[in-house]
Amino acid sequence: GESVGLHLPTLSVQEGDNSIINCAYSNSASDYFIWYKQESGKGPQFIIDIRSNMDKRQGQRVTVLLNKTVKHLSLQIAATQPGDSAVYFCAEIGTGRRALTFGSGTRLQVQP
Amino acid sequence: EAQVTQNPRYLITVTGKKLTVTCSQNMNHEYMSWYRQDPGLGLRQIYYSMNVEVTDKGDVPEGYKVSRKEKRNFPLILESPSPNQTSLYFCASRPDRGAVSEKLFFGSGTQLSVL
Repeated sequence: GESVGLHLPTLSVQEGDNSIINCAYSNSASDYFIWYKQESGKGPQFIIDIRSNMDKRQGQRVTVLLNKTVKHLSLQIAATQPGDSAVYFCAEIGTGRRALTFGSGTRLQVQP
Repeated sequence: EAQVTQNPRYLITVTGKKLTVTCSQNMNHEYMSWYRQDPGLGLRQIYYSMNVEVTDKGDVPEGYKVSRKEKRNFPLILESPSPNQTSLYFCASRPDRGAVSEKLFFGSGTQLSVL
């Protein structure tokens, strides 16, 4: 069946380092991917999205990479800051499906 | 400020006592949805609405009802709550621009405990 999973439940990085959060998906028909950030006590917030016709998309300090061959998605955060500490979710959807399928999340901890 | 507002933020109730969690958005979004978030399971969709008077089941609709009488409001109703409905609930909305983007705007969540 469909699944969206994350390789690591918790990622700890030093402030100023780059962070990479990974996500695997199983549905080859998935054509849209999105990353959300959820801070403690808050709802998820949109970070960046990418369509399957792209391999890479950049935002402010964030980059999403999509490897359709191995069904892998990653979120890269440059110069990680304490404010980046949160749980990060990937989600995907494909043609004919009604709703995003969310992964279970990776907690990013930024050490000072 | 553009936002999705849920109430209450926290709710403790007992099995069988009907409750309603309200959701309101001020962005004139056509699409609204309810999710529940459980540890290790991510966000799962309960119900969604494409527009006023149009609602449909998500992945986990059992035990829930919704209504969409007005564009801005999308309440979640638990007619007879059970302990397995203890969860963190999120309401979300987005414009329905032909589903070009799935960028959802989420509320701050409602933590429900059913004893």
